[in-house]
Amino acid sequence: AQTVTQSQPEMSVQEAETVTLSCTYDTSESNYYLFWYKQPPSRQMILVIRQEAYKQQNATENRFSVNFQKAAKSFSLKISDSQLGDTAMYFCAFMKPGKLTFGGGTRVLVKP
Amino acid sequence: DGGITQSPKYLFRKEGQNVTLSCEQNLNHDAMYWYRQDPGQGLRLIYYSQIVNDFQKGDIAEGYSVSREKKESFPLTVTSAQKNPTAFYLCASSTTGTLTQANYGYTFGSGTRLTVV
Repeated sequence: AQTVTQSQPEMSVQEAETVTLSCTYDTSESNYYLFWYKQPPSRQMILVIRQEAYKQQNATENRFSVNFQKAAKSFSLKISDSQLGDTAMYFCAFMKPGKLTFGGGTRVLVKP
Repeated sequence: DGGITQSPKYLFRKEGQNVTLSCEQNLNHDAMYWYRQDPGQGLRLIYYSQIVNDFQKGDIAEGYSVSREKKESFPLTVTSAQKNPTAFYLCASSTTGTLTQANYGYTFGSGTRLTVV
């Protein structure tokens, strides 16, 4: 079974600064997807970024980027130029066909 | 617009009652999923279905039941056997196939908040 671990329950960052969220996972699969989802107070799950395991290049979406270390089974998310609207829960997730497994989440608070 | 609709947004259940949460999608996705979220925690998989008339238990299926009679619909029943049903429930759908599809990913509904009164 796959497990996903987010070791930081909560992080705070000043507006315009950078914050990095950590995620590790355990799997014996060789081909899979990794995701970061954002859940604001509305509780809607919003896809932030996606990484295919077979791609060595780290994914980037505007201010969001990942550091994917396949051998270490690590998948961290960097939020650059943090904005007040980035305040939310962030979930790391692992996917193989048919199943998406989530970590416990990291609460991010962006301070003005 | 395509998406997933969950209803109701808020639901109250008395002790010993069964309640059914609705989930409908018009994305033509083959697979559908139900997750439970407790306060301050991640999402845990209850049931999932990759094809009509077939479904599998997730990690916390006890006290829940589902059906998949139509591709668009995947209702979840919280039975009286579920001793602690108060939680936020999220439905999701996805395409199926190989992991090389560029659009592989999940779409989530807006959730149902269930409270036992």
